[in-house]
Amino acid sequence: AQSVSQHNHHVILSEAASLELGCNYSYGGTVNLFWYVQYPGQHLQLLLKYFSGDPLVKGIKGFEAEFIKSKFSFNLRKPSVQWSDTAEYFCAVNAGSGYSTLTFGKGTMLLVSP
Amino acid sequence: DVKVTQSSRYLVKRTGEKVFLECVQDMDHENMFWYRQDPGLGLRLIYFSYDVKMKEKGDIPEGYSVSREKKERFSLILESASTNQTSMYLCASTDPRTSNQPQHFGDGTRLSIL
Repeated sequence: AQSVSQHNHHVILSEAASLELGCNYSYGGTVNLFWYVQYPGQHLQLLLKYFSGDPLVKGIKGFEAEFIKSKFSFNLRKPSVQWSDTAEYFCAVNAGSGYSTLTFGKGTMLLVSP
Repeated sequence: DVKVTQSSRYLVKRTGEKVFLECVQDMDHENMFWYRQDPGLGLRLIYFSYDVKMKEKGDIPEGYSVSREKKERFSLILESASTNQTSMYLCASTDPRTSNQPQHFGDGTRLSIL
């Protein structure tokens, strides 16, 4: 069974700092990759996704992620965070399941101080 | 825009009760999912359904069952609620007939078992 590992459980940054959240997965075949975000009190929203093609994908609110197949990684980045980016971030993998099932990482709580 | 509606935001039940959590989606999606979200554990898949009356176990099905009598509605049932089922429950849906579709999530039901 596939698994997803997020490197940091909590990250604290000041506004304007750069962000990189690590995500690694364990599956040797074709994967579809996702980052979801959950703002306080809100439902999970899709930030970005990778299915095929350009391994550098851009999402909403200035986020991007790079798929590095050789490293089984899909790290999330943002050059300059804002206070409004305070949220919990989840990496998820669909490892070729025809039912679109997802395996999620344990999440990273990002706190951005103004 | 896809709308996934969970019937309750907050629910308090007693140990041993039979509990029903309801989820409705308005986009004619074939696949629906139930997860539980716990701090430090991320989202874990309980059950999913890929068609009416069809269901598959996820990673943690013990103590739960599901019902999908109509395409738009997917119910999670706690047969005899226990305190370790206190959690946030998230419903999601997706359309496997459309490529590159992510899962869309409801707002969640925070269930407390006393």
